[in-house]
Amino acid sequence: DQQVKQNSPSLSVQEGRISILNCDYTNSMFDYFLWYKKYPAEGPTFLISISSIKDKNEDGRFTVFLNKSAKHLSLHIVPSQPGDSAVYFCAAREAGNMLTFGGGTRLMVKP
Amino acid sequence: DSGVTQTPKHLITATGQRVTLRCSPRSGDLSVYWYQQSLDQGLQFLIQYYNGEERAKGNILERFSAQQFPDLHSELNLSSLELGDSALYFCSSNKRVTDTQYFGPGTRLTVL
Repeated sequence: DQQVKQNSPSLSVQEGRISILNCDYTNSMFDYFLWYKKYPAEGPTFLISISSIKDKNEDGRFTVFLNKSAKHLSLHIVPSQPGDSAVYFCAAREAGNMLTFGGGTRLMVKP
Repeated sequence: DSGVTQTPKHLITATGQRVTLRCSPRSGDLSVYWYQQSLDQGLQFLIQYYNGEERAKGNILERFSAQQFPDLHSELNLSSLELGDSALYFCSSNKRVTDTQYFGPGTRLTVL
């Protein structure tokens, strides 16, 4: 049973436009959510996070939105750049520390 | 560079064999976590150690075991290897369990 799902395996966006990556979860006990970016042959790199008591967190070009009632979060990248091309994983944490990851979305930003 | 190191980078072995993967956490980090990423899938949590003691267990097979040493590096031992064990194995670390986890570059294991 997948508790964290990223239903879009891939997304293609033009440079300069907005990229929106989505993530759904089923476990209402998750209290913290994170996005990681992963380039080939590298480990995941932390990008941005949000606590369950907030509905938005912004860091430069990256904004994460959390809709608790819908059990849905999204990552917005504006403007998208070719260097943003990578696999993006959302992850959720229950009270404690174990992370549950989604399956990832491959983002391709075309110049 | 996250500060987490993993060796070896690649490992090719045969079914039935045993291998050991090594992870050195960031300086000062007390927790080490191990994850498995099979082909085109998300990362699956295997096990966590905190300051030498096992803290949490995920979907870790009985053929797999881990330990964390006094210098805080950790080793993941995989035995009686099967073809399906071929995957990327990542470790991560943090100082306090509520801190962000930082990941190493991973070890790619291929079982032939």
